[in-house]
Amino acid sequence: DAGVTQSPTHLIKTRGQQVTLRCSPKSGHDTVSWYQQALGQGPQFIFQYYEEEERQRGNFPDRFSGHQFPNYSSELNVNALLLGDSALYLCASSLRSRARGANVLTFGAGSRLTVL
Amino acid sequence: AQSVTQLGSHVSVSEGALVLLRCNYSSSVPPYLFWYVQYPNQGLQLLLKYTSAATLVKGINGFEAEFKKSETSFHLTKPSAHMSDAAEYFCAVSLYNFNKFYFGSGTKLNVKP
Repeated sequence: DAGVTQSPTHLIKTRGQQVTLRCSPKSGHDTVSWYQQALGQGPQFIFQYYEEEERQRGNFPDRFSGHQFPNYSSELNVNALLLGDSALYLCASSLRSRARGANVLTFGAGSRLTVL
Repeated sequence: AQSVTQLGSHVSVSEGALVLLRCNYSSSVPPYLFWYVQYPNQGLQLLLKYTSAATLVKGINGFEAEFKKSETSFHLTKPSAHMSDAAEYFCAVSLYNFNKFYFGSGTKLNVKP
């Protein structure tokens, strides 16, 4: 059973460029969340997608956008890259259930973005 | 506002010693609480979760955590540290199901031989 897979694992961009990161959720999961983890920090919530719509958004500018496809996979796009966008971008999937209990996140290994 | 505070960005213990990693949260409603572990160049792996059932929660690899509402704490413990426990540990809070997670800044655990 494959877990969450992300691509690419590493990439280098220059300021002003655009980047697209990709995520395939764990089998059986229907919700994808994206987190940014800067060096030495905990993950910060960017947004969450369910049923191909953005459901929640963290405190990130509109340069950060996303998409979810019918097969539940997702993309994170960042436009006009800044040096401060350098970070590990984590995708997490989960199952949106009405049952009691917490919505546990399963994380991928991340995509490490370096902006020069 | 919701937040998570992890006291001590670095903790060092000897192999076989008690591990105690501290986590305090602030929340306007009863939270769901989690501990995740991150090994170098890997994503986060769930250690354990508290979801308003038993206050003492047992997780993988011998870790456990106790939810103390009066202290707004959810400290992570392990009776005897192993070299393989060296990693970074993150405490997280989620307020409702389907909701975003708020993570602490992490504690790096070093285990000395």
